[in-house]
Amino acid sequence: DAGVIQSPRHEVTEMGQEVTLRCKPISGHNSLFWYRQTMMRGLELLIYFNNNVPIDDSGMPEDRFSAKMPNASFSTLKIQPSEPRDSAVYFCASRPTTGGRNIQYFGAGTRLSVL
Amino acid sequence: AQTVTQSQPEMSVQEAETVTLSCTYDTSESDYYLFWYKQPPSRQMILVIRQEAYKQQNATENRFSVNFQKAAKSFSLKISDSQLGDAAMYFCAYSRAQKLVFGQGTRLTINP
Repeated sequence: DAGVIQSPRHEVTEMGQEVTLRCKPISGHNSLFWYRQTMMRGLELLIYFNNNVPIDDSGMPEDRFSAKMPNASFSTLKIQPSEPRDSAVYFCASRPTTGGRNIQYFGAGTRLSVL
Repeated sequence: AQTVTQSQPEMSVQEAETVTLSCTYDTSESDYYLFWYKQPPSRQMILVIRQEAYKQQNATENRFSVNFQKAAKSFSLKISDSQLGDAAMYFCAYSRAQKLVFGQGTRLTINP
């Protein structure tokens, strides 16, 4: 399996622009997670889905952030409008909902820079 | 809320020596999982080792082993025969009900 695939690897945008980050989970994994990593706050869970349904979005910082999972093989995290403080590395992870030894497998991350 | 604390922001070790990274956590639950993840400069988060709280036996994976002290809520990682490729950020993480809570990380440097 190719693992969790995230795109783009790097994104540079200007303040106020819309940013869309993409994730393809490992085939057969029913749970998908979005994390944000910053120097100040470390790794934080933003939102997670089970079977394409959002279960917990309490980590989403504000209404500018939204996430969707239209099918089992694709998810997006959108920031609109983007701000410089959104600059971070965003990770997507997936795992089987049952079994799978409770292990989350991470993508390579997207480094977002908002100027 | 569960918290995970890594009290060592940085550690260094000579190649081929042994190093131990510390982690403590706070939870009122009895059934949970603990993990160590490694993040090299490539940024990829790589699972190093996993421990189930109901198991008393400490997990081992080749040169990596843990010292799990449930009553003390301590979960340290021991790396034996350190190699240059072990240089990375190491994150301790707690999991229950699917969510992962991470510590702040320990940067490990390997001196040749």
